[in-house]
Amino acid sequence: EVQLVESGGGLIQPGGSLRLSCAVSGFTVSSTFMTWVRQAPGKGLEWVSVIYTGGSTYYADSAEGRFTISRDFSKNTLYLQMFDLRAEDTAMYFCARGSDAGDFDYWGRGTLVTVSS
Amino acid sequence: EVFLTQSPATLSVSPGERATLSCRASQSVYSSLAWYQHKPGQAPRLLIYGASTRATGIPARFSGSGSGTEFTLTISSLQAEDFAVYYCHQYHNWPRYTFGQGTKLEIK
Repeated sequence: EVQLVESGGGLIQPGGSLRLSCAVSGFTVSSTFMTWVRQAPGKGLEWVSVIYTGGSTYYADSAEGRFTISRDFSKNTLYLQMFDLRAEDTAMYFCARGSDAGDFDYWGRGTLVTVSS
Repeated sequence: EVFLTQSPATLSVSPGERATLSCRASQSVYSSLAWYQHKPGQAPRLLIYGASTRATGIPARFSGSGSGTEFTLTISSLQAEDFAVYYCHQYHNWPRYTFGQGTKLEIK
């Protein structure tokens, strides 16, 4: 059974850093592309970052230069390292698996990041 | 960037009735469009990919249509568990993935 479980969220002050984790089971993070999507309170889904099987990484403009996506094959885990956090980064962060067709076929329940002083 | 516009923002429908949700893209995404269902506190769930292919385990009452810039998600006979927020998502313009703003399907 495919499962994705996010962790690492919490309350953080503006300018702080946080690392989110996405532990997966039922498949390997090396076998497909993986992505992070967020949802700010009362808003819709916003794509944040993607890592492809070959290791190429891409970011939304809002994340470029501040966030880093990575994966650990030995732990079968996806990460999102976030630096210089801002109030507008407050959101539920979801990890998702990319399918062969290009859509996101399995998602986790999310981890909440709150940036506030 | 490809912008996706969903309509309506909120749709009120009675159980057993049909619901039709729309998604319009600012430029052609061919058939690289997916629909997701999202309920509070849950993981988003893939319903449709390739504009019209149901994902694994999705009931036949969900159907998708369209190509290019105009897409539709139809739920033929609403069940109580179908009331949720629905998002369209284009993946043609990867890695610049984008989502629509969502349609909230509520009980009338």
